[in-house]
Amino acid sequence: QTVVTQEPSLTVSPGGTVTLTCASSTGAVTYGYYPNWFQQKPGQAPRALIYSTSNKHSWTPARFSGSLLGGKAALTLSGVQPEDEAEYYCLLYYGDAWVFGGGTKLTVL
Amino acid sequence: QVQLQESGPGLVKPSETLSLTCTVSGGSISGYYWTWIRQPPGKGLEWIGYIYYTGSTNYNPSLKSRVTISVDTSKNQFSLKLSSVTAADTAVYYCARLVGATDFDLWGRGTLVTVSS
Repeated sequence: QTVVTQEPSLTVSPGGTVTLTCASSTGAVTYGYYPNWFQQKPGQAPRALIYSTSNKHSWTPARFSGSLLGGKAALTLSGVQPEDEAEYYCLLYYGDAWVFGGGTKLTVL
Repeated sequence: QVQLQESGPGLVKPSETLSLTCTVSGGSISGYYWTWIRQPPGKGLEWIGYIYYTGSTNYNPSLKSRVTISVDTSKNQFSLKLSSVTAADTAVYYCARLVGATDFDLWGRGTLVTVSS
């Protein structure tokens, strides 16, 4: 059973920087896992932010960036805004199967 | 712009089959993969499976024995069937587009399906 692990919760101050990570139980996350990142606010559908590690959608704010960091996929928010408070999910590819992380609840305080 | 809309019964009895349809509007279903994802109340997301517009499919191994995803290009729709449902299948079900098999870019608003007698 493959497990994808994210920090359950993180807190950041407005204007600050925070990095969310996404680890795989199978070992280091590489580009071949095509990491995706999503933002979900209460009562809403998830919204795609990042695909294939670091690619942004046209609607993704510039303050969001994706990368690989220390064997994990990472989502960095620079200059956090109050509206960034949300649940964030990563998604990894395991050769014809996709597995979501458990999500990180980001609080902006 | 392309929009996705889930539809189907909001209540299904235990042991019966859950059936949902996703209608794609504002663009063609051809050329893309299409996927289903679910989220139990208060919990995280789970990938169910995807279908290419040609009909080839791939399913989550944990659900594979109960899942069927199909596509109707003439109606610009794709569908999900999940058999032998239990209360554990109660969730919000989302349909989404998968670009190049790696980019889950557009999502429907989701539909809540409750399994209860």
